Amino acid sequence: DIQVTQSPSSLSASAGDRVTITCRASQRISTYLNWYQQKQGKAPRLLIYSASSLQSGVPSRFSGSASGTDFSLTIRSLQPEDFAVYYCQQSYVSPHTFGQGTILDIK
Amino acid sequence: QVQLQQSGPRQVRPSQTLSLTCAISGDTVSNNNAAWNWIRQSPSRGLEWLGRTHFRSWWYTDFPVSLKSRVIINSDTSKNQISLQVNSVTPEDTAVYFCAREVVRNVSTHYFYYGMDAWGQGTTVTVSS
Repeated sequence: DIQVTQSPSSLSASAGDRVTITCRASQRISTYLNWYQQKQGKAPRLLIYSASSLQSGVPSRFSGSASGTDFSLTIRSLQPEDFAVYYCQQSYVSPHTFGQGTILDIK
Repeated sequence: QVQLQQSGPRQVRPSQTLSLTCAISGDTVSNNNAAWNWIRQSPSRGLEWLGRTHFRSWWYTDFPVSLKSRVIINSDTSKNQISLQVNSVTPEDTAVYFCAREVVRNVSTHYFYYGMDAWGQGTTVTVSS
């Protein structure tokens, strides 16, 4: 199975900050990398698909990028509602594995 | 707007079968641009994919090797829903279970997946005697 390793596992930031979460795939996955946000007690929400495409309805302060097997999710100007857990997922080869998650909390 | 509504028992005894259903509205289970997945989440395993079904002019199902012998996913076009069965459960199967729609594109008989854009509300299932 392809492993996707997220870093950091947790991150503290303040409203208005810019933050970046990274995900590294254990092998080449082209750009088949998706990002999700999950809030306590809720299902994950798709933010970014195909490494850099913004899902409909997602604010433009979220962006994604790719470089080889390294992928990044950047949130520009954090809003209070952005404090949550973020997951990456590769959808290149089955099983479509998830990263272990990054907890983004308020500093 | 796609909505997925999950139902099923929240407690299952060890060695028994866990059964959940996911009713789909706003889309059809036989849409060949959608795959229908089950995922579970627990503190020890994180988000774990359990399998998917996808209509490709035939019903295609796919499961992780580790669970293939215990998991069944069925589709019901008359009720527009999918179902999950996990056999011979143990306390390690205790988790929150989700169904989710995954966007699929077919290019020259190759299938490409673009993330899970609609999710059920989640069902907390506890395996306990």
